[in-house]
Amino acid sequence: GNSVTQMEGPVTLSEEAFLTINCTYTATGYPSLFWYVQYPGEGLQLLLKATKADDKGSNKGFEATYRKETTSFHLEKGSVQVSDSAVYFCALSDLRIQGAQKLVFGQGTRLTINP
Amino acid sequence: DTGVSQDPRHKITKRGQNVTFRCDPISEHNRLYWYRQTLGQGPEFLTYFQNEAQLEKSRLLSDRFSAERPKGSFSTLEIQRTEQGDSAMYLCASSLVRLGTVNQPQHFGDGTRLSIL
Repeated sequence: GNSVTQMEGPVTLSEEAFLTINCTYTATGYPSLFWYVQYPGEGLQLLLKATKADDKGSNKGFEATYRKETTSFHLEKGSVQVSDSAVYFCALSDLRIQGAQKLVFGQGTRLTINP
Repeated sequence: DTGVSQDPRHKITKRGQNVTFRCDPISEHNRLYWYRQTLGQGPEFLTYFQNEAQLEKSRLLSDRFSAERPKGSFSTLEIQRTEQGDSAMYLCASSLVRLGTVNQPQHFGDGTRLSIL
């Protein structure tokens, strides 16, 4: 079945540091890939997505590239801010039009940015 | 766009009681999903609706769980005879799926946190 593996957290960085959160996946076919962010006490917000190989998703300074050859979708940001502190989830969903298109999530990576 | 709304935000109940949660999706969205998230884990799929039809249920959804979307708008998730293992965040998401398009992003509500005493 489909699965997503994220680097274990928690991750603690200083403000303006470079961020990488690793994500690899296992899937049949060609899934779409997503990064969601969850702030304390809130639901999940879509951060970025990529629907096919070599696509780069980007938003709010974050970016991730869909790498089919390495089955990876690593999240990066060049200079993090305190406000980026949250839990980040990598996810995939089935591309099949008639399918459920349900999301399969990784376990999440808690990110803390210190001033 | 008022977003996905879930009610209540928190529910504390004793083991053995029944609980019901409500989800109001984004108004034009025809797909509605329920997920469960336990502490320190990612959300896990429970079930989804296309309009009023419940099209798939996860093995996580035991007989004590039932979900409805009677008019293809809001949905309810009921848990009967709650157990301590039911303690989790229950998340609702919605999306618009049109014929010939794929993978419109799912928009999530803030969830209902259930605590079983």
